[in-house]
Amino acid sequence: KQEVTQIPAALSVPEGENLVLNCSFTDSAIYNLQWFRQDPGKGLTSLLLIQSSQREQTSGRLNASLDKSSGRSTLYIAASQPGDSATYLCAVFSGNTPLVFGKGTRLSVIA
Amino acid sequence: DTAVSQTPKYLVTQMGNDKSIKCEQNLGHDTMYWYKQDSKKFLKIMFSYNNKELIINETVPNRFSPKSPDKAHLNLHINSLELGDSAVYFCASSHRPEFTDTQYFGPGTRLTVL
Repeated sequence: KQEVTQIPAALSVPEGENLVLNCSFTDSAIYNLQWFRQDPGKGLTSLLLIQSSQREQTSGRLNASLDKSSGRSTLYIAASQPGDSATYLCAVFSGNTPLVFGKGTRLSVIA
Repeated sequence: DTAVSQTPKYLVTQMGNDKSIKCEQNLGHDTMYWYKQDSKKFLKIMFSYNNKELIINETVPNRFSPKSPDKAHLNLHINSLELGDSAVYFCASSHRPEFTDTQYFGPGTRLTVL
């Protein structure tokens, strides 16, 4: 059974700092991994989707990496801004089970 | 130009009632989903439909009945509501089924059962 863990559960950083969010999964036989952002009281916004054959994806200040063999992914946020404050969710698709989400990392960027 | 919309945004009701949540997407996607996010913020898939056909039902009680009148709509009807049904319900859609590409989420419906 696939399990997804995100560490830390919460993170507070000063504006401008570079930061890394971690996601680990127990079954390395995945099809893809997605990073989402959830703002309070709102739905999820897909940030990056990494296929199992890829090692990383970049979008603006965001860079997500995938190491299937070790069951890990990281989301790197460069030059953080207060507008980046949100909960970041990692989700894994393993083919024979539906999308499995982690519980998220709640990020606060302080001006 | 809302991509995935849900109504209502908030729903407060008594135990035992029957209620429906509506979802519409204007992205031309073939696949739609319902997710439940509980009080601990844990998000889990409930149903998935592709071209109006059910393809995933994740051990959801049969009090929950999704209905897809067409590819752009996936409604969720809940019978005999229980306290444990209180949660935020999210609708989502994607072009291809089975989580192989990006999903687009609606804003959520916060259901409170008293």
